[in-house]
Amino acid sequence: GAVVSQHPSRVICKSGTSVKIECRSLDFQATTMFWYRQFPKQSLMLMATSNEGSKATYEQGVEKDKFLINHASLTLSTLTVTSAHPEDSSFYICSASPGGRGNEQFFGPGTRLTVL
Amino acid sequence: QKEVEQDPGPLSVPEGAIVSLNCTYSNSAFQYFMWYRQYSRKGPELLMYTYSSGNKEDGRFTAQVDKSSKYISLFIRDSQPSDSATYLCAMSVSGNTGKLIFGQGTTLQVKP
Repeated sequence: GAVVSQHPSRVICKSGTSVKIECRSLDFQATTMFWYRQFPKQSLMLMATSNEGSKATYEQGVEKDKFLINHASLTLSTLTVTSAHPEDSSFYICSASPGGRGNEQFFGPGTRLTVL
Repeated sequence: QKEVEQDPGPLSVPEGAIVSLNCTYSNSAFQYFMWYRQYSRKGPELLMYTYSSGNKEDGRFTAQVDKSSKYISLFIRDSQPSDSATYLCAMSVSGNTGKLIFGQGTTLQVKP
């Protein structure tokens, strides 16, 4: 149980294009989903928290107009990196929480984004 | 000072050794403590989940929380090469939105 999927697992795009990453909780309903970014040999940096049906809460320093988050249902959240640039290249990981048990989070396998 | 401190290592041990991984923290409001294992280029996998102080055992893994010292540990018995990964501690405040604060992660290598 508690499986979270991400798609795509890897994406390479040209500078200026937009990229959408999907995060799905496969066997539970996620009241809250989180988006993280991870640079090589570094820990996870929380970008934003999203609750189904409401606007995402972004962490300080994260541009909400650049990283668009939509949490359309209790099993799906999407992150769109708009007008991507090489500095946006990173490992993006989502997590999902079923709620009710002290903020336990289950992570997806991550998406490797490379912007040329 | 970071809210959660974790020695990044790397930590190298022979197969079969007992491994001790640790984190310290500064926020006394943390109530939930987790250990995640992350293999290279993969998402973190939840290993242990503990509420408040005490010990929790699951197979070869034991998690300890000492809130008075603001110190948590993960012990791995009979370590295997397949345990080679980065181990991240994470913690959150009771009643929060669910935001986890992560340690930097400790890279562990178990040599056959």
